[in-house]
Amino acid sequence: GAVVSQHPSWVICKSGTSVKIECRSLDFQATTMFWYRQFPKQSLMLMATSNEGSKATYEQGVEKDKFLINHASLTLSTLTVTSAHPEDSSFYICSARDPPGSSYEQYFGPGTRLTVT
Amino acid sequence: GNSVTQMEGPVTLSEEAFLTINCTYTATGYPSLFWYVQYPGEGLQLLLKATKADDKGSNKGFEATYRKETTSFHLEKGSVQVSDSAVYFCALKGGSNYKLTFGKGTLLTVNP
Repeated sequence: GAVVSQHPSWVICKSGTSVKIECRSLDFQATTMFWYRQFPKQSLMLMATSNEGSKATYEQGVEKDKFLINHASLTLSTLTVTSAHPEDSSFYICSARDPPGSSYEQYFGPGTRLTVT
Repeated sequence: GNSVTQMEGPVTLSEEAFLTINCTYTATGYPSLFWYVQYPGEGLQLLLKATKADDKGSNKGFEATYRKETTSFHLEKGSVQVSDSAVYFCALKGGSNYKLTFGKGTLLTVNP
């Protein structure tokens, strides 16, 4: 089946620094990828939709200047948390969607645990 | 807007017990409904889905029926195994909106 990877699986950074998280579709091309955030005992909250070759679409309340998303190829999307603060500590999950003409199913990565100290 | 409410866990069962995890939803139009499972240390996997009223999704012994009259999509399994221990998420995708809306997840632990 379709596999999506994320790197790193966990990261600790100091307040004020930036951290980049990668999401890769390993065996299929994904024109659309999604970034979610999950707080403990909470549901997955969609942050943004990333389309290859165009600007990401952010959900209401998500700061696009803080959470930079780049989808430069059909197999890679990156999320950069800029000037991270402790409140940005969370579990970030990406998903990649089948291309048009297929099932449109989303395949999820294993998540990245970010801790900001 | 769309929302999903699922029963809060954790749920702890003995092997071979019957499982029900309740899920209700609020949505405009005619959403598609999903159950995802997240095993420890892994990403979410699609477990089953139903795209219209009265459809029954099934996979690996799990079943859920799309009940429009009660806006529900409860997950059931007749006899759980230790290997079913995971977090289960109910989700919906509404109409032409391709976005998924998730419930909070229910942690299931099955003891031998």
